[in-house]
Amino acid sequence: DTAVSQTPKYLVTQMGNDKSIKCEQNLGHDTMYWYKQDSKKFLKIMFSYNNKELIINETVPNRFSPKSPDKAHLNLHINSLELGDSAVYFCASSQEGGNSPLHFGNGTRLTVT
Amino acid sequence: GNSVTQMEGPVTLSEEAFLTINCTYTATGYPSLFWYVQYPGEGLQLLLKATKADDKGSNKGFEATYRKETTSFHLEKGSVQVSDSAVYFCALRLTGGGNKLTFGTGTQLKVEL
Repeated sequence: DTAVSQTPKYLVTQMGNDKSIKCEQNLGHDTMYWYKQDSKKFLKIMFSYNNKELIINETVPNRFSPKSPDKAHLNLHINSLELGDSAVYFCASSQEGGNSPLHFGNGTRLTVT
Repeated sequence: GNSVTQMEGPVTLSEEAFLTINCTYTATGYPSLFWYVQYPGEGLQLLLKATKADDKGSNKGFEATYRKETTSFHLEKGSVQVSDSAVYFCALRLTGGGNKLTFGTGTQLKVEL
């Protein structure tokens, strides 16, 4: 009955490869997000989708391409992986409205070697 | 722009000590304010929230009061336990603008016996 689930939990890959991270939420929320957490624990928004439409794209390299097949899913595809992409990526979802909290998945730890 | 400033960590306390983690914010408008907690190796969990001035959020013995006059949302707990060791994030969210959550840099708390 996990609310926001993302897979895989760990991802180790070599530079230049292409990889995807999947995210699903069963909370009925309209908005989903991807955040990146760096080695110093700093969290930065990458993308936000509302009802399958992109509404935030925060100067992320175009090697990163989010895809939302429906409002319950938001996947993240990364092309030509670089060492600097190593981080923990968190998916989240929320209802509309600024007073609603975001619900986070458990994260995907990406290591690029 | 919108931003959140937290005290730098790590904060190291003995069990049963009083905890304060300072958080101040800058926002164009009237944000909702949140505290999230991240236990080692886990995702972010909502700890508490406040949606308007003078509201007090509370959960698991933690409290924070939304102070509009000082633009602050300091986290407090009267008696910490070893199990409270985690990273604590202060965050704000405005209505509109994609409804993203803007985080502070996080404060690591270590509680020792």
